[in-house]
Amino acid sequence: GNSVTQMEGPVTLSEEAFLTINCTYTATGYPSLFWYVQYPGEGLQLLLKATKADDKGSNKGFEATYRKETTSFHLEKGSVQVSDSAVYFCALSDYSGGSNYKLTFGKGTLLTVNP
Amino acid sequence: DTEVTQTPKHLVMGMTNKKSLKCEQHMGHRAMYWYKQKAKKPPELMFVYSYEKLSINESVPSRFSPECPNSSLLNLHLHALQPEDSALYLCASSRLFGTTNEKLFFGSGTQLSVL
Repeated sequence: GNSVTQMEGPVTLSEEAFLTINCTYTATGYPSLFWYVQYPGEGLQLLLKATKADDKGSNKGFEATYRKETTSFHLEKGSVQVSDSAVYFCALSDYSGGSNYKLTFGKGTLLTVNP
Repeated sequence: DTEVTQTPKHLVMGMTNKKSLKCEQHMGHRAMYWYKQKAKKPPELMFVYSYEKLSINESVPSRFSPECPNSSLLNLHLHALQPEDSALYLCASSRLFGTTNEKLFFGSGTQLSVL
């Protein structure tokens, strides 16, 4: 079956530090890959996505590249801000049989950015 | 309007109560979802409606009863819940159901406590 593995948190950084959150996946088909972010007390928001190999998703200074050869979709940001403190979920969407297109989430990584 | 609105934001109920969670979107989306999220865990899919018809039920206990009265509204009726059902219940919508690159829009959730 499909699965997503992302680095265990929590991750604590100082403002303006470089961020990497690792994400690898296992899928039977040709999945689309996503990063969702959940700020405290809120629902999830799509941060970025990539739908095929070598695609790069980017938004708000965050980037991730769909690497089929390493089955990875690592999230990076060059200079984090306090406002980036949140939980980040890597996810994949794939066809799982019948009429089922399922979004599978990783366990989430809590990022805290200190001033 | 790119919002998914959920009410109430917080709900406390006893194990013999009957209550309903409500979700509304006006983006013209034809797919709507219920997810359950326990603290520090990723969201777990419960139900998917596509064109107001139930497409996926992830083996959810019958004490949870979904309803989609029209394309903008989604309800989750709760009856005889257990304390372990306490969680954040998230509603989401997407333009369509059945393709792998659909972006999900999430509401802020209803924090449910069952006493």
